[in-house]
Amino acid sequence: EPEVTQTPSHQVTQMGQEVILRCVPISNHLYFYWYRQILGQKVEFLVSFYNNEISEKSEIFDDQFSVERPDGSNFTLKIRSTKLEDSAMYFCASSGDSNTEAFFGQGTRLTVV
Amino acid sequence: AQTVTQSQPEMSVQEAETVTLSCTYDTSENNYYLFWYKQPPSRQMILVIRQEAYKQQNATENRFSVNFQKAAKSFSLKISDSQLGDTAMYFCAFAQNTGFQKLVFGTGTRLLVSP
Repeated sequence: EPEVTQTPSHQVTQMGQEVILRCVPISNHLYFYWYRQILGQKVEFLVSFYNNEISEKSEIFDDQFSVERPDGSNFTLKIRSTKLEDSAMYFCASSGDSNTEAFFGQGTRLTVV
Repeated sequence: AQTVTQSQPEMSVQEAETVTLSCTYDTSENNYYLFWYKQPPSRQMILVIRQEAYKQQNATENRFSVNFQKAAKSFSLKISDSQLGDTAMYFCAFAQNTGFQKLVFGTGTRLLVSP
């Protein structure tokens, strides 16, 4: 069964460093998303991406964040200068069209120290 | 803005019994989707069941079924014949019918299934 794959599963980084979280969506999907879950809290929408551009972003997704689909298969989330409060589980998701559900990856746990 | 409320932080059930998890939501939209996602200890988000708001019939997936009350803006999940593997966090989620699955999640209900 096709699945969304995220790497790495866990990343530890120092405050102020840049991190790139990687995702390989399901191959024929067209819509891509990043969500964040701070430990013990609910899952929050960050950004949606379609046709090589951001379609919607939340207040959380400030100038420190960016997304890219560099090669037609990967979908990345970059945090330019990490803060302690960026520590969270980051989920990538993809959906095939506008009326189908999003499938989530297994998440990347980001720890900022 | 849409909101999703799950008023039960934790629930417990014994194996083979039935449990119902509650969810209410607030929206002014008429067309939308509702979902239940399961998050086991592995932290992966797994879709359990989905419901389109325009459908009156309640969705069912094997042991999982929903009670969708559109007027009351209620969307509860019933798990029948609970199994140990059902132990997880369960999140109710809402998405507008805008062409993007931007999900608004509730705070979750932790379900513990005991032998």
